[in-house]
Amino acid sequence: GAGVSQTPSNKVTEKGKYVELRCDPISGHTALYWYRQSLGQGPEFLIYFQGTGAADDSGLPNDRFFAVRPEGSVSTLKIQRTERGDSAVYLCASSLVPETEAFFGQGTRLTVV
Amino acid sequence: KNEVEQSPQNLTAQEGEFITINCSYSVGISALHWLQQHPGGGIVSLFMLSSGKKKHGRLIATINIQEKHSSLHITASHPRDSAVYICAVRWGYNTDKLIFGTGTRLQVFP
Repeated sequence: GAGVSQTPSNKVTEKGKYVELRCDPISGHTALYWYRQSLGQGPEFLIYFQGTGAADDSGLPNDRFFAVRPEGSVSTLKIQRTERGDSAVYLCASSLVPETEAFFGQGTRLTVV
Repeated sequence: KNEVEQSPQNLTAQEGEFITINCSYSVGISALHWLQQHPGGGIVSLFMLSSGKKKHGRLIATINIQEKHSSLHITASHPRDSAVYICAVRWGYNTDKLIFGTGTRLQVFP
């Protein structure tokens, strides 16, 4: 695709449920990043992939959060046993190679009720 | 203390004014990004720089590595420049993550 695509754009879920958020990076981009943005705050780093492997997952807040990128393109961020505090906009970005310009998706707004 | 601090947090201007947004950081970096975020969440990369100055249209970004400081300037501001401007640093030691500031909300009135 022409840009980074995230689906769904909005997700409302009940506390305790499992959710999956999908990111389609720009074709050919090897680096993929997940960030989380709470209201009124700047984005916070969650995890970054180089190819299929997680190069840095130090931003994942706890073991309820997990992300995969099995074929080195599409990535899925998985959140188990969602809590109200997980409500935020989840942003995905990709870059051709690390340390180059990052292109952001529109984000998925997650609301846990 | 945040690792990346921006000032001001909010800025209003009249159309045509010269705008400056400042960013200071406390960590060692390999590059600094200026990003623009419009309502609805979409983030657009404006600049990535590691030294000196870059210019694109009415936008100018500068960085002083020794002073750990960067500025984003907008010349001849226009209402369509209204957005949140975010500074982010690429913390280059064994990782490629960005550390973001909280953003500067700019409103330009006609």
